[in-house]
Amino acid sequence: QVQLVASGGGVVQPGRSLRLSCAASGFTFSTYAMHWVRQAPGKGLDWMAVISYDGRNYYYPDSVKGRFTISRDNSKNTLYLQINSLRVEDTAVYYCARGAPSSDYFASAHLDFWGQGTLVAVSS
Amino acid sequence: YELTQPLSVSVALGQTARITCGGINIESKNVYWYRQKPGQAPVLVIYRESNRPSGIPERFSGSNWGNSATLTISRAQAGDEADYYCQVWHSSTVVFGGGTKLTVL
Repeated sequence: QVQLVASGGGVVQPGRSLRLSCAASGFTFSTYAMHWVRQAPGKGLDWMAVISYDGRNYYYPDSVKGRFTISRDNSKNTLYLQINSLRVEDTAVYYCARGAPSSDYFASAHLDFWGQGTLVAVSS
Repeated sequence: YELTQPLSVSVALGQTARITCGGINIESKNVYWYRQKPGQAPVLVIYRESNRPSGIPERFSGSNWGNSATLTISRAQAGDEADYYCQVWHSSTVVFGGGTKLTVL
């Protein structure tokens, strides 16, 4: 079965950097686009990034461009999110989710499986 | 691009719940719906307006017309209580609605 296990969260001081990981199993990782979505405490879902199945293409919302970097290592079945210059408002649970198959345009379709998320708390 | 959902919807046990998602000309977009129970990750319940993933009961259906998409839950059960989010793509970015808390009375 599809499994996505996010890790790398924790308590971090403002201004520091953090790299989140998402280990995938149960499907052919290299043939799917992948996403990061975050959720601040008590708030709604906030999309952070998408990367194509081969890692060559990606999109971000304007709100995080320049601070967030999505990447993947298909040889390790792992997705990453690098977050720089962390802010208090980045405090959230960060979910990884599976996106479009390689037969579809990567920036389309639904997020059909989600991991359990990893909590990032930014505090001094 | 913004998606507008009601903050909360209440439905009596066994009745039909309708959760709306408003957006300019949303009928031109594919709409996806997710259910999230407290402390859990979101789960896809409807894709491309009206298709259900395996494991999602037929009680869940979707529609999309004009400036509003609707998630309909028939014969509502206590286990349907959750937050529901709609989602579209706009200019190569994912947009989520603000979420609707469904209460089953």
